[in-house]
Formats: sequence, C-alpha cells, structure tokens
Amino acid sequence: AQSVAQPEDQVNVAEGNPLTVKCTYSVSGNPYLFWYVQYPNRGLQFLLKYITGDNLVKGSYGFEAEFNKSQTSFHLKKPSALVSDSALYFCAVRDGQAGTALIFGKGTTLSVSS
Amino acid sequence: KAGVTQTPRYLIKTRGQQVTLSCSPISGHRSVSWYQQTPGQGLQFLFEYFSETQRNKGNFPGRFSGRQFSNSRSEMNVSTLELGDSALYLCASSLDPTSYNEQFFGPGTRLTVL
Repeated sequence: AQSVAQPEDQVNVAEGNPLTVKCTYSVSGNPYLFWYVQYPNRGLQFLLKYITGDNLVKGSYGFEAEFNKSQTSFHLKKPSALVSDSALYFCAVRDGQAGTALIFGKGTTLSVSS
Repeated sequence: KAGVTQTPRYLIKTRGQQVTLSCSPISGHRSVSWYQQTPGQGLQFLFEYFSETQRNKGNFPGRFSGRQFSNSRSEMNVSTLELGDSALYLCASSLDPTSYNEQFFGPGTRLTVL
C-alpha cells in the first residue's frame, strides 16, 4: 500500500535561516512525489514534483526538494526562510503503477519568526 | 488563465439532508479529482473523473457520488448527511489522468453539517 509520512507536526525557524520539512514515502512501484502548500482558508498550491531524473528538484518561491531513493525520502528545503513562508505543507505520492490518486501526508506546519 | 473554481464556498446543512458541490476545472484540463480534508483524517481521496467516467474511487461510502459533464465540469453529491461529513471539500484538475501530472486545487467548499 502507498503511504506518506511527515514526521514533524510543526517546524519552527527564524527568518533568514535554512528550512527543511521532512517527508518519507512507501510505494511498490516508481514514486511520483509532490509538495503542496496551504495557506489559511485556501486550497492547496503546487510547489514542485519529482518524476524522474535529477534528484534535486527546484520549484516555486525558492523551494527545492531532494529525492533520496535509498532512504525513500523527499525533503523540502529552502536556503533562506521568509515570514511569508509560514503555512501548512503537504507531501504527496502517487504510485506510477497503481492509479492516479494522490496520497497525502498529515501535513507539517511551518512557522517562520521574524 | 483562470484557476479551478468551486461553488459554493461555504455551506451549512442539517443531518439527513443532501448536498451538491460544483467544480469547474482549469480550461483545457479534462481530469477532475475530489478530496475531503478534515482535522482528524487529513486529506483523503474521494474520486477521479476523466472523459465523464469515474476512473478511481477512494474508500468512502456510497452516499458520496459524483459525475463529470462533457465540458469537464464536475459535481459531487453527498446524500443523507452525517455530522462527520463536515469538512473542506477540495476539487483538483489536471490535463489528464497521467500519474506524473500535477493537480491544481480550487479554494474548496467548506461544508458544515449541524
């Protein structure tokens, strides 16, 4: 069965510091991995995805993610956090051989202090 | 290009009633998926439609149903509402059901069941 784990409910960082939001996954086939962000009372915004190829994926708003097959991880990173990055972040996975439904992690609240 | 639109944005119903939610995908997108978001269960996949056909269904009771029209617009219906159906219902569209295509989400419909 497919699953995604976001081990941290909340991540706190100071503005200007690097941030990492962790994600691990489990699929039986090839993983297609996605990161989304949700601001209060809003839908989800797509940040980036990993399909194949380069393990470092660059996305919107300066975010990037590193795919690690041996550790089955897909951590979201940003070199310098902004207060406006404060939001709820979701990691999601699709199994390339098992349909198109996105399986989401529980979400991680990122809080960036000034 | 206009994003995914959902109507209504907010809805209050009582137990036993039924409700219909509407979703208009991004122009040119032919695949529409629905998700339920609750604090306890997180984001859960309801179903996916493509070319007016349900391609995939999540683990929800038969009270939850949907359909897609020839213009790709989609509706979901919940009959005999229960208190536990209170949630944010998110619609997402993508070009087609190919697994590596990202989905773009609407702002959601907040359903409250009293």
